[in-house]
Amino acid sequence: GAVVSQHPSWVICKSGTSVKIECRSLDFQATTMFWYRQFPKQSLMLMATSNEGSKATYEQGVEKDKFLINHASLTLSTLTVTSAHPEDSSFYICSAPGQVSSYEQYFGPGTRLTVT
Amino acid sequence: AQRVTQPEKLLSVFKGAPVELKCNYSYSGSPELFWYVQYSRQRLQLLLRHISRESIKGFTADLNKGETSFHLKKPFAQEEDSAMYYCALRGYNTDKLIFGTGTRLQVFP
Repeated sequence: GAVVSQHPSWVICKSGTSVKIECRSLDFQATTMFWYRQFPKQSLMLMATSNEGSKATYEQGVEKDKFLINHASLTLSTLTVTSAHPEDSSFYICSAPGQVSSYEQYFGPGTRLTVT
Repeated sequence: AQRVTQPEKLLSVFKGAPVELKCNYSYSGSPELFWYVQYSRQRLQLLLRHISRESIKGFTADLNKGETSFHLKKPFAQEEDSAMYYCALRGYNTDKLIFGTGTRLQVFP
């Protein structure tokens, strides 16, 4: 089946620094990927839609200058948290719709970001 | 506005008991509804979708457009069903998923 990976699985950074999270579709191409944020014991909140070859589409309330998304190839999307603050600490998850059955989303394992 | 509501944060049952995880949605149109499951220390994965009308791992869910509900049911819960369950909605002509807040199912032996 389709597999989505994320790197790193966890990261700790200091306040004010930037962190890049990678999302890869391992055995299929994804022209679209989605980035979610999940707070402890809460639901997944869609942050943005990453589009290969064009700008990402951000959900209302998500700062595009803070959460930079780049979809450089058909298998890679990156989320960069710029000038991170402790309130950015969260679990970030990406997903991609399948090629054959686009209704099914394949999720990455998530990246835990802790900003100190 | 598109919204998915799961009123129960936690549902605890004993093995063999029936289970119903509630999901209600709000959408102006005909959405596609899904149930996703997240087992401990695993990634989110699709459990079932309303269009397929199939039973997966003994779970079924029927879309009730009149009540705008998509409740997940299983007649006899098993311990391995313990997990986090998310109801999700996909609108027309989009791959975006809107998730509910999730329900944690605990099945005791």
